[in-house]
Amino acid sequence: AQSVTQPDIHITVSEGASLELRCNYSYGATPYLFWYVQSPGQGLQLLLKYFSGDTLVQGIKGFEAEFKRSQSSFNLRKPSVHWSDAAEYFCAVGAREGYNKLIFGAGTRLAVHP
Amino acid sequence: DTEVTQTPKHLVMGMTNKKSLKCEQHMGHRAMYWYKQKAKKPPELMFVYSYEKLSINESVPSRFSPECPNSSLLNLHLHALQPEDSALYLCASSQDPRESPQYFGPGTRLTVL
Repeated sequence: AQSVTQPDIHITVSEGASLELRCNYSYGATPYLFWYVQSPGQGLQLLLKYFSGDTLVQGIKGFEAEFKRSQSSFNLRKPSVHWSDAAEYFCAVGAREGYNKLIFGAGTRLAVHP
Repeated sequence: DTEVTQTPKHLVMGMTNKKSLKCEQHMGHRAMYWYKQKAKKPPELMFVYSYEKLSINESVPSRFSPECPNSSLLNLHLHALQPEDSALYLCASSQDPRESPQYFGPGTRLTVL
């Protein structure tokens, strides 16, 4: 069965510092992989997605993620965090067969200190 | 227009009430989704509509009744809900049912008294 693990429930970084949010998945083949961001009281926004091809994926708002098959990971990175990046971040896995039933990780809450 | 809209933003209802949540998108997307999100938890899929037909029902209780009147609209009819149904209800859409739900609405915050 598919599953997603986000090991860090809560992360705090200083504004301008680099950021890496971890995501590990369990799936029998190469899945579709996604990162979403949710600001308080808001819906989810798709940051980036990996389907195939280049394992380094560029997204919106300066985020990128790297798919590492050997480690079953899809970590999200940003070189310099802005205060507006404070939000909840969800990693998700989708099956390649049939309809896309996204399985979400538990989420990582990011706090940014000035 | 690259957005999904949801109304109302907030809804408070009693356990005997009947209410409806509405979702709309004008991007020509052919798949629409309902998700339920409890506080501090990830979203959980409830229903998927593909080409205006219900394709996935994740064993949701019958007190939740989805409806897709046309390719732009998705409703969620609520009846005889329980307090534990209080949550943020998110609508989403994707151009193709085989893709991920790329666009999410802001959600309806539902409180059942």
